[in-house]
Amino acid sequence: QQQVKQSPQSLIVQKGGISIINCAYENTAFDYFPWYQQFPGKGPALLIAIRPDVSEKKEGRFTISFNKSAKQFSLHIMDSQPGDSATYFCAASTNAGKSTFGDGTTLTVKP
Amino acid sequence: EPEVTQTPSHQVTQMGQEVILRCVPISNHLYFYWYRQILGQKVEFLVSFYNNEISEKSEIFDDQFSVERPDGSNFTLKIRSTKLEDSAMYFCASSKTLGSGYTFGSGTRLTVV
Repeated sequence: QQQVKQSPQSLIVQKGGISIINCAYENTAFDYFPWYQQFPGKGPALLIAIRPDVSEKKEGRFTISFNKSAKQFSLHIMDSQPGDSATYFCAASTNAGKSTFGDGTTLTVKP
Repeated sequence: EPEVTQTPSHQVTQMGQEVILRCVPISNHLYFYWYRQILGQKVEFLVSFYNNEISEKSEIFDDQFSVERPDGSNFTLKIRSTKLEDSAMYFCASSKTLGSGYTFGSGTRLTVV
């Protein structure tokens, strides 16, 4: 019940395209859903996050869509750029603080 | 922008040896975490720490592991007797409040030989 399932495992997108990564969770106690971006040799960096009281949050080219009834959330990267090539992790946490991470998606944006 | 600092960046140790991984969290953050990432795999929770005590720990965090905040700025992870399977990237993270995003350090790559 603590798992967060992430798909796809890898994604290749042309420059300017839309990248979409999906996550699903089981535990209804999760109340904070961040996305992290990780470049090789670096720690994950918080990209954008959402709470379940809203269905969408947008920051620049990055948008989270959240479907509480389906227990799913997704990251959309608009106008994808080669510099967006990285591994993306979704996560979910309860108000106890611990985050459970998805398995990660390796995004490659081709020029 | 404030950073979480981890040292060393890479540590090689012999099986059975003790290692201490060090972290300096962001100064006004109150919640501290250790996670690990075996090469190419997911980020796994080890332990959370608040108010000078462990809040939660995972099954991975057995008696060989301990954490300490010895001086109000450093946050350390000790592995008493390392095993080959402890080889991984260890990330320290901190957050200002519960249920908010973390700031991660750049990690310590631990290699047990």
